[in-house]
Amino acid sequence: QLQLQESGPGLVKPSETLSLTCTVSGGSVVTSSSYWGWVRQPPGKGLEWIGSIFSTGSTSSIPSLKSRVTISVDTSKNEFSLKLTSVTAADTAIYYCMRPAGYIANWGQGALVTVSS
Amino acid sequence: DIVLTQSPDILSLSPGERATLSCRASQSLSVAYLAWYQQKPGQAPRLLIYDASTRATGIPDRFSGSASGTDFTLTIASLEPDDFAVYYCQQYDVFPETFGQGTKVEIK
Repeated sequence: QLQLQESGPGLVKPSETLSLTCTVSGGSVVTSSSYWGWVRQPPGKGLEWIGSIFSTGSTSSIPSLKSRVTISVDTSKNEFSLKLTSVTAADTAIYYCMRPAGYIANWGQGALVTVSS
Repeated sequence: DIVLTQSPDILSLSPGERATLSCRASQSLSVAYLAWYQQKPGQAPRLLIYDASTRATGIPDRFSGSASGTDFTLTIASLEPDDFAVYYCQQYDVFPETFGQGTKVEIK
């Protein structure tokens, strides 16, 4: 059974870079025709799709975050990562890694990242 | 972007009652690529329905989804105590994928 687990700092200073990793178990990130991605949820608010990476390495992210987002895959560690640069308080959220097939059947448990000095 | 508007924001019902949740898309989806999720406090969302009407693995048949044009509906036939939660719809027909703002189903 596929399991996803986020890890990374829970506190990031404004203007710095948020970095999260999602470790995949019960499956391989190099499975053909597979996507991996990230969704976030500000405390008490709704869900926002951030972006995804295909098994070929091609990525996409929502226009409002595109200039600040990098999603990458590390096949040697069977994990994928999110980097979000120049963060502000508006980036405070629970960040979920996920495996989308359009819809999302597989989610990590979520990692709260707070942006504060 | 496709905007999904869910209604109502809050639905107050008693166990055993029928719940009808609505999700309206700002434009037509070329294919009924719409999903429904349930989220409880402190948990990740759980997939209930995909392709507008297909139940995900392990989802009880009291949950059903339907579509009519730009209007999508999630119906819970008879609310169980475990069903009180927040429900989100999501479209995956057009990039970027978008979610509705959520409907909270609370105990009356």
